[in-house]
Amino acid sequence: EIVLTQSPDFQSVTPKEKVTITCRASQSIGISLHWYQQKPDQSPKLLINYASQSISGVPSRFSGSGSGTDFTLTINSLEAEDAATYYCHQTTSLPHSFGQGTKLEIK
Amino acid sequence: QVQLVQSGAEVKKPGASVKVSCKASGYTFTNYYMHWVRQAPGQGLEWMGIINPSGGSTSYAQKFQGRVTMTRETSTSTIYLELSSLRSEDTAVYFCARDHQIVVRGITGYFDLWGQGTLVTVSS
Repeated sequence: EIVLTQSPDFQSVTPKEKVTITCRASQSIGISLHWYQQKPDQSPKLLINYASQSISGVPSRFSGSGSGTDFTLTINSLEAEDAATYYCHQTTSLPHSFGQGTKLEIK
Repeated sequence: QVQLVQSGAEVKKPGASVKVSCKASGYTFTNYYMHWVRQAPGQGLEWMGIINPSGGSTSYAQKFQGRVTMTRETSTSTIYLELSSLRSEDTAVYFCARDHQIVVRGITGYFDLWGQGTLVTVSS
């Protein structure tokens, strides 16, 4: 089973700040890594697929990079509405797995 | 429209079983793999397993082997999650999610559509 480890677990940030969340896989997963945003009492929402592919309708301030074992989600110029928990998700093989999540608080 | 609608909240006693449904609409049900993911209160997302709505084949996370059964009903475009021998640690929101990959490709990918979630509470 592939383990995904995100860092940090929690971050308190101010609007317009740049945020970087990392996700490390326990073995190489190519680019089969996706990012979701989840707000309280909502279902997760896809932000980035295959490490760096943008999703229609997702603001351009969200971007992803990486391959192999190390991946990054970057939020440029953070907005108040970005307060949420962010998860990475690997799909290179079964069983799928998720990172433990990174909670972003807006100051 | 394209959506997944899940059944309502459940309250069960320890040792009981629960069956949650997820009805798909707006697309060809048998074309896309479906997954179940759960989230305990205040915790992260946990993948439980996958079902091929076309042939009905399944694969479960080892943690749930022996306690979980995923089935589908093509006539109603519905998948089901049944979890038995419930314990308090199974209290969670259970989500169904559609894989963006079509089943004929034989590979899985990201989840592009999610149900609204079903809260299952296990309490004596």
